[in-house]
Amino acid sequence: GAGVSQSPSNKVTEKGKDVELRCDPISGHTALYWYRQSLGQGLEFLIYFQGNSAPDKSGLPSDRFSAERTGGSVSTLTIQRTQQEDSAVYLCASSGDQGFTSYEQYFGPGTRLTVT
Amino acid sequence: AQSVTQLDSQVPVFEEAPVELRCNYSSSVSVYLFWYVQYPNQGLQLLLKYLSGSTLVKGINGFEAEFNKSQTSFHLRKPSVHISDTAEYFCAVSGTGNNRKLIWGLGTSLAVNP
Repeated sequence: GAGVSQSPSNKVTEKGKDVELRCDPISGHTALYWYRQSLGQGLEFLIYFQGNSAPDKSGLPSDRFSAERTGGSVSTLTIQRTQQEDSAVYLCASSGDQGFTSYEQYFGPGTRLTVT
Repeated sequence: AQSVTQLDSQVPVFEEAPVELRCNYSSSVSVYLFWYVQYPNQGLQLLLKYLSGSTLVKGINGFEAEFNKSQTSFHLRKPSVHISDTAEYFCAVSGTGNNRKLIWGLGTSLAVNP
């Protein structure tokens, strides 16, 4: 079946511009996660959506970052007024809700964001 | 709070040799443990996990890991590596409750040489 998809695969933007990154989780998966991977910081958790519960936003690095999940499926991560330190690969993952398999996260290919 | 330490940033090894990639964690609550692999220019793939039961878990591609609660470790091993095992390996932990966000180590780069 189809895996997690992300778009765009690459994004180059100028400092100060806003960007939107999209994630399509595996069909039927109720949990969705955003992480970012950068050379200096490794892999960092950003935000987590689980069903209809309030999202866990504890990993968002600043109020320039926000995310929403519409209809319990597609998610968009928005970065406002981008800075050079936002350059990273943004990864999306999803998981199901059945027992232990709910702890298995499946990752998309990522969006490589470059802020110039 | 939870944290993960991968003790080796780079591990060079010859083909068909055994390898161990070390991972230690710190947590005040129970955790589940994971190893993910990232092949060059590819996405993250789950290699194996420890959730409960036997502390020795087997994963894909001949890898295995042992959960040691007293030493708070989850080292990854393979008895004989192949060139194709060259990749970045990440150890991660999550809580055992409703919040399943992963906390990651910095990764170990495994380079298998002929």
